Amino acid sequence: KQEVTQIPAALSVPEGENLVLNCSFTDSAIYNLQWFRQDPGKGLTSLLLIQSSQREQTSGRLNASLDKSSGRSTLYIAASQPGDSATYLCAASGGSYIPTFGRGTSLIVHP
Amino acid sequence: ETGVTQTPRHLVMGMTNKKSLKCEQHLGHNAMYWYKQSAKKPLELMFVYNFKEQTENNSVPSRFSPECPNSSHLFLHLHTLQPEDSALYLCASSQGPGQGAGELFFGEGSRLTVL
Repeated sequence: KQEVTQIPAALSVPEGENLVLNCSFTDSAIYNLQWFRQDPGKGLTSLLLIQSSQREQTSGRLNASLDKSSGRSTLYIAASQPGDSATYLCAASGGSYIPTFGRGTSLIVHP
Repeated sequence: ETGVTQTPRHLVMGMTNKKSLKCEQHLGHNAMYWYKQSAKKPLELMFVYNFKEQTENNSVPSRFSPECPNSSHLFLHLHTLQPEDSALYLCASSQGPGQGAGELFFGEGSRLTVL
């Protein structure tokens, strides 16, 4: 059974810092890995989707990498802003196509 | 209208009431999902439908009854709920199997409060 772990559970940084969020998964036989952002009381917004054949994806200040052999993905946020404050979740989809979610990293970027 | 739409956004109900949550997706996807998100708990998968057929029921109590009349619409019928069922209920859709596991898209959620 796939298990997804996100470290750290919470992170507080000053504005402008570059930061890395980690996601690890136990079963490397995945089809894709997806990163989401969730604001309080809202739904999940898809940030980046990495297919199993890809190593990384980029969107603006966000860069996500995938290393299937080690069971890891990282989300890199460059030049963080207060508007980046949210919970970030990763989800790995394997043979059953149904994604398995981590518990998320709660990020606060203070001015 | 695009994406995944959920109604109502907020719902307050008593334990003896019967209500329904509605989800509609305009993305042409084949798979639809219900998730439950309680305070300080991870996202819990409840039900999955693929081409209108239920493919996953994650040991959900029978007081939650899903319905998927077509690939674009998904309902969650609620009856005799308990206060611990108060949570954010999220609907999602994706391409599902066959085409490969595709990107998952979520609605804004329905905030349910059971009194």
